Amino acid sequence: LAKTTQPISMDSYEGQEVNITCSHNNIATNDYITWYQQFPSQGPRFIIQGYKTKVTNEVASLFIPADRKSSTLSLPRVSLSDTAVYYCLVGEWNQGGKLIFGQGTELSVKP
Amino acid sequence: EPEVTQTPSHQVTQMGQEVILRCVPISNHLYFYWYRQILGQKVEFLVSFYNNEISEKSEIFDDQFSVERPDGSNFTLKIRSTKLEDSAMYFCASKGGAGNTIYFGEGSWLTVV
Repeated sequence: LAKTTQPISMDSYEGQEVNITCSHNNIATNDYITWYQQFPSQGPRFIIQGYKTKVTNEVASLFIPADRKSSTLSLPRVSLSDTAVYYCLVGEWNQGGKLIFGQGTELSVKP
Repeated sequence: EPEVTQTPSHQVTQMGQEVILRCVPISNHLYFYWYRQILGQKVEFLVSFYNNEISEKSEIFDDQFSVERPDGSNFTLKIRSTKLEDSAMYFCASKGGAGNTIYFGEGSWLTVV
């Protein structure tokens, strides 16, 4: 499982775009990149997943450069309710392998 | 949207007592997991389960822990003799046969006193 590095914390204001970058220098060919969001006392919630280039869904975008050694989660126009911990995870889970969580990035959105 | 459900949401138990945490994974999912999160710490893997047997377990998952899928829908975590340090939020998760997304339940908060 590739090791990931992401900022411990970030601050933002309502309405701003937030970009959280994750480094995963030893990502393997078959690895996917997945981001989860966790609110206090709740389970991690799947946000987005990608393999390369750009993926967009209704809540976020995920940018992955060609070398795949990093990825950036982009949250457009954050609100106070986006205050949470965001986890970047890298691995090949086709056959049911486990997810290993790091410390994540604690995002604080201020009014 | 299908979801993983867990019961109870909160349980307080005395040290040394047995606890069973229950989970109903997403229907048709094949891979099942238990994780835990001690207050203020990161989410930790406990065990994965596939085809009615444990696939992998962490160092945390010692002889005091066991998992079972007693029927086609429930997935349980049993702690035989709870210790104070077992106090944590326990998350059940499941994954389908294809794809890479693991879905988590909302957790069972266990307090051992």
